[in-house]
Amino acid sequence: DQQVKQNSPSLSVQEGRISILNCDYTNSMFDYFLWYKKYPAEGPTFLISISSIKDKNEDGRFTVFLNKSAKHLSLHIVPSQPGDSAVYFCAASAGYGGATNKLIFGTGTLLAVQP
Amino acid sequence: GAVVSQHPSRVICKSGTSVKIECRSLDFQATTMFWYRQFPKQSLMLMATSNEGSKATYEQGVEKDKFLINHASLTLSTLTVTSAHPEDSSFYICSASRTERTGELFFGEGSRLTVL
Repeated sequence: DQQVKQNSPSLSVQEGRISILNCDYTNSMFDYFLWYKKYPAEGPTFLISISSIKDKNEDGRFTVFLNKSAKHLSLHIVPSQPGDSAVYFCAASAGYGGATNKLIFGTGTLLAVQP
Repeated sequence: GAVVSQHPSRVICKSGTSVKIECRSLDFQATTMFWYRQFPKQSLMLMATSNEGSKATYEQGVEKDKFLINHASLTLSTLTVTSAHPEDSSFYICSASRTERTGELFFGEGSRLTVL
């Protein structure tokens, strides 16, 4: 049972355009969501997060939107740069605030930013 | 720089042998570390939560006798794949948290295990 889903295995975007990566979840107990970026043969690196009390969090070129009623979140990257090319994982956890650091990951979306 | 380091990054072993993977937090103490496994084109699957000074907590479906986890100190956790088989070939990644806050997880570089 995949509780966190990323239905698009890959996405190709032109440099300078917006990249939108989507993520859906099924567990209504999730209250904290994160995006990680991963290069081949490396561990994931934290990108941005959002708690369920917010619907938007912005950090530079990266913005995460959360739609709790739809159990959907998205990561927007604008403008996209070739260095953004990587696999992006959506992750979720329940019990933000110290209860747990257990993260449930999605399957990832490979973003390719074309120069 | 990296704050969580894994070793080895790549290991090839024969079927039936055991392999140990180390995960170290370099500049902080981690009472809890996490071990993940990733198959090609699949998500990171949490295998177990490693607690310093106590037994690891394994996720459902993960054989604790096959994947031995030892968290001997606040900066070191080890994963030993015992009697490895080709189906154990995978990318193993550890993570550790600086704080209690979810999201402050730092991941190691990962270890690619290939069992012949």
